[in-house]
Amino acid sequence: AQSVTQLDSQVPVFEEAPVELRCNYSSSVSVYLFWYVQYPNQGLQLLLKYLSGSTLVESINGFEAEFNKSQTSFHLRKPSVHISDTAEYFCAVSSSGSARQLTFGSGTQLTVLP
Amino acid sequence: EAQVTQNPRYLITVTGKKLTVTCSQNMNHEYMSWYRQDPGLGLRQIYYSMNVEVTDKGDVPEGYKVSRKEKRNFPLILESPSPNQTSLYFCASSSTGGGITEAFFGQGTRLTVV
Repeated sequence: AQSVTQLDSQVPVFEEAPVELRCNYSSSVSVYLFWYVQYPNQGLQLLLKYLSGSTLVESINGFEAEFNKSQTSFHLRKPSVHISDTAEYFCAVSSSGSARQLTFGSGTQLTVLP
Repeated sequence: EAQVTQNPRYLITVTGKKLTVTCSQNMNHEYMSWYRQDPGLGLRQIYYSMNVEVTDKGDVPEGYKVSRKEKRNFPLILESPSPNQTSLYFCASSSTGGGITEAFFGQGTRLTVV
């Protein structure tokens, strides 16, 4: 079985400050890791994903996440946030080779303050 | 435009009255899933389908039914809704399973059972 833990349910941060949203996973097999973002009253959108290769993955809007196998983590970071980054962020895991789809964490609400 | 369409967006119903939430995708995806989103619990998978006439239970299937008679449609059926099924529901589709390819989500259906 696989599971995802997002350690912070709410993260308030001032505009232009750096932010880190934490995600830890557990799985007995190799995994694929994802971050999805949900803006108010919308469905989820893929932000970035790790499948293999470089452990540092980046999104087009400045977010990055690093896969750390020894610490079973996939933390999401951004060096300078904008008001428009206010949203709920979900970390998700999928076991490679599994027919099942994604297992999601409980979500982190990022609120960027002016 | 690639999209997953859910209907209705909002629904208030009474306990025991059968209802169906429709989901349709226009991307010729094989994989489709239903999730429910509850505060503090993230998204939990209800059912998934790997192709036409192939469906399987997710993590919280009790009280729900699905069918996949056509590739594009994956309706969620609540035969006898109860108040504990009050939730925000999302349909998702992807071209493959295991989360390797991006999952596209619908806008969500907010269901209230009184």
